[in-house]
Amino acid sequence: NAGVTQTPKFQVLKTGQSMTLQCAQDMNHNSMYWYRQDPGMGLRLIYYSASEGTTDKGEVPNGYNVSRLNKREFSLRLESAAPSQTSVYFCASRGPTGGSYEQYFGPGTRLTVT
Amino acid sequence: QQQVKQSPQSLIVQKGGISIINCAYENTAFDYFPWYQQFPGKGPALLIAIRPDVSEKKEGRFTISFNKSAKQFSLHIMDSQPGDSATYFCAAFNAGNNRKLIWGLGTSLAVNP
Repeated sequence: NAGVTQTPKFQVLKTGQSMTLQCAQDMNHNSMYWYRQDPGMGLRLIYYSASEGTTDKGEVPNGYNVSRLNKREFSLRLESAAPSQTSVYFCASRGPTGGSYEQYFGPGTRLTVT
Repeated sequence: QQQVKQSPQSLIVQKGGISIINCAYENTAFDYFPWYQQFPGKGPALLIAIRPDVSEKKEGRFTISFNKSAKQFSLHIMDSQPGDSATYFCAAFNAGNNRKLIWGLGTSLAVNP
């Protein structure tokens, strides 16, 4: 039982490049989330998926897209990376039922955009 | 608009001392209040959580105190240890509102040996 896994762990991009951050969970959770963490800004929600087949914008969705590929996987795509997207990105999941409130986090992806 | 306000931003405590972190919220519809602990290079992990029908919850050296009328809750770490040095986040959850956690900005705790 690996919990929430994220790939890659580190990434350096040039401005304008694109990339996809991968996230998978093996806990049969319904809800999945993407956050970014910046110094002094706490955790900010980018997108979330309440269940397979649905996605919704969070607090800071601009510049990102997501895909809930199946119940296990939730990917985050940067179409044209900008230096402002330099951050640590965390994926989280919650479930398996609506009454389960704890979010489980992955180890994070540290992204630098130059 | 910060719906959950956390203080202090950073805290230094001597080993064996008590660490206290405070949070205040505005939305009375929140019905679940967790604290998460994050070590450097790791994702946050749930430490302890409380619902508004109780005023205190204790798990080992960690206690949440909850004041519903004041819309405040706090984390107390008794007998603080260097291994407790981490960033702590309070959060609030409204089961009826898209099931998203609303996060405080975090407190960086350093426990000196």
